[in-house]
Amino acid sequence: GENVEQHPSTLSVQEGDSAVIKCTYSDSASNYFPWYKQELGKRPQLIIDIRSNVGEKKDQRIAVTLNKTAKHFSLHITETQPEDSAVYFCAASKPGSARQLTFGSGTQLTVLP
Amino acid sequence: DTAVSQTPKYLVTQMGNDKSIKCEQNLGHDTMYWYKQDSKKFLKIMFSYNNKELIINETVPNRFSPKSPDKAHLNLHINSLELGDSAVYFCASSSPPGLAGEDTQYFGPGTRLTVL
Repeated sequence: GENVEQHPSTLSVQEGDSAVIKCTYSDSASNYFPWYKQELGKRPQLIIDIRSNVGEKKDQRIAVTLNKTAKHFSLHITETQPEDSAVYFCAASKPGSARQLTFGSGTQLTVLP
Repeated sequence: DTAVSQTPKYLVTQMGNDKSIKCEQNLGHDTMYWYKQDSKKFLKIMFSYNNKELIINETVPNRFSPKSPDKAHLNLHINSLELGDSAVYFCASSSPPGLAGEDTQYFGPGTRLTVL
């Protein structure tokens, strides 16, 4: 089955700096890669996603890049703010009648004021 | 107005008991899921259910059984609860395949299960 590895497990940055979280996946059939943000005690919420037919996607301060050949994808957050502090999860899934997400192990991002 | 809801939010029970967690979505989605988040925050798929097709993650013990009375509901029943079942359980839903945004999964608020 699919295996998703995520690094780093913890990341501290100064407010205003950029943060980068990296993930690799094992199954070349995977074609959908979402990123979720989970604040303490809350549900995971989708912040951005990318499909295998594009290499990069941007939404304001958040961008995701995908390298299908190397089977890795990354989340980039620019101009970080304290409210960006949360656990971020990458995930991968394959086409099918019901997409089951395989999640990475999560990155605890702390933005220091 | 909550898109995906779960009850109860907290569940504390004794080992060996049987319990259920309910999930409802009002998004008109055909596909629903159950995920387990352990104490280390690791999120793992347990089941997905699409148009009466149940896809079971092979690592889930058969003490766990999903039940879907209709496409808006996917409940999780757990028999003979064990200490290791303590976790946060999240329900999620997504659009039918072929529709725009089909892949986006919307999560419920979670149910924190504690087995004593």
